Amino acid sequence: DTAVSQTPKYLVTQMGNDKSIKCEQNLGHDTMYWYKQDSKKFLKIMFSYNNKELIINETVPNRFSPKSPDKAHLNLHINSLELGDSAVYFCASSQDPSDQPQHFGDGTRLSIL
Amino acid sequence: GQQVMQIPQYQHVQEGEDFTTYCNSSTTLSNIQWYKQRPGGHPVFLIQLVKSGEVKKQKRLTFQFGEAKKNSSLHITATQTTDVGTYFCAGQGVSGTYKYIFGTGTRLKVLA
Repeated sequence: DTAVSQTPKYLVTQMGNDKSIKCEQNLGHDTMYWYKQDSKKFLKIMFSYNNKELIINETVPNRFSPKSPDKAHLNLHINSLELGDSAVYFCASSQDPSDQPQHFGDGTRLSIL
Repeated sequence: GQQVMQIPQYQHVQEGEDFTTYCNSSTTLSNIQWYKQRPGGHPVFLIQLVKSGEVKKQKRLTFQFGEAKKNSSLHITATQTTDVGTYFCAGQGVSGTYKYIFGTGTRLKVLA
């Protein structure tokens, strides 16, 4: 059973479109995250939710909007996609936000044409 | 803001050689985690260090947390081809923020 699963695995779309990435974890964790990994492999935190409450909101364009309908799900919606949004987006979860291992999903590779 | 740098950026070693990556934070850390990401894969948690001066071992891997809790290292003894990947440290600050800042990563290639 996959612990943290993201869909889709690949997303190829045109500039200006709106797209969503979904994430689900079956580990019973309270905390979920979105990370962006660029072409140079830098991993940057974007958002984190703990028990459906937003606790980390980094400086990202407001075209990115996370939503956590329940503890097990964290989705990411992106409006008006731009070329610079091309990256791999990783979802992760942890037991709680403080000093706990993070379990990552397989990633969603987003390519903007 | 908090920054976490890793050196070297890349390392090529012959199989059987040792390898070390160093992680340096601009601020004091509450704890530090290490992750490994295989090519095309996702980061996988390796270990967490919490105490000043802590040393932990996992088979051929030795992890160290500095006395000032601002730096850390990962040492691999006698590398194998299965060690190939990018190694990241991730530090959590003491300032009350929950976020982990990931280091810049060290990409390891092992030549057979």
